[in-house]
Amino acid sequence: DGGITQSPKYLFRKEGQNVTLSCEQNLNHDAMYWYRQDPGQGLRLIYYSQIVNDFQKGDIAEGYSVSREKKESFPLTVTSAQKNPTAFYLCATQDRRNTEAFFGQGTRLTVV
Amino acid sequence: RKEVEQDPGPFNVPEGATVAFNCTYSNSASQSFFWYRQDCRKEPKLLMSVYSSGNEDGRFTAQLNRASQYISLLIRDSKLSDSATYLCVVIKGSARQLTFGSGTQLTVLP
Repeated sequence: DGGITQSPKYLFRKEGQNVTLSCEQNLNHDAMYWYRQDPGQGLRLIYYSQIVNDFQKGDIAEGYSVSREKKESFPLTVTSAQKNPTAFYLCATQDRRNTEAFFGQGTRLTVV
Repeated sequence: RKEVEQDPGPFNVPEGATVAFNCTYSNSASQSFFWYRQDCRKEPKLLMSVYSSGNEDGRFTAQLNRASQYISLLIRDSKLSDSATYLCVVIKGSARQLTFGSGTQLTVLP
């Protein structure tokens, strides 16, 4: 099946730990995005990548890191520097020709 | 000022009502516009694109006003299943970067 796979669906992190959220796509899309959504809020851009081995910070990049070593994969690491990481994290891809964005099912991260 | 702003909501309407949402954008160079729907605790999904001439998909009508820099979504004959958060999305620049509004929550009441 074509699509975007985010894993895990639920993730619990202890304070001070780094965790990595996975995002894999087989849509052959160039652009990939990471968003954070807090309860009752809109989507805020963390990082985005338009091409392999290149990525840019979004509006709230502090405390996060990414890599784009393969076109299919855009993992997000939530570091211990992120003081309030509990949120719903969404990965999206975009086909440059059509501009429509497609989303994965999200990862719900909770700090315990 | 936010790049993309939406009606604050929430909107609570009875079944069968007509409801309209507006979304304003600040960058006149914005190129493409979409409405997404997000159900509770789910990912956003494309509802419809917004074209300059306006477009309709069943009970849903989207319009773009470039001069005033806003887009709108009209839902006619509301159904219970229309209850969701509606997000407007603007794309601009050579990077074609997505910018989301904060969303408008709609609840259709029986």
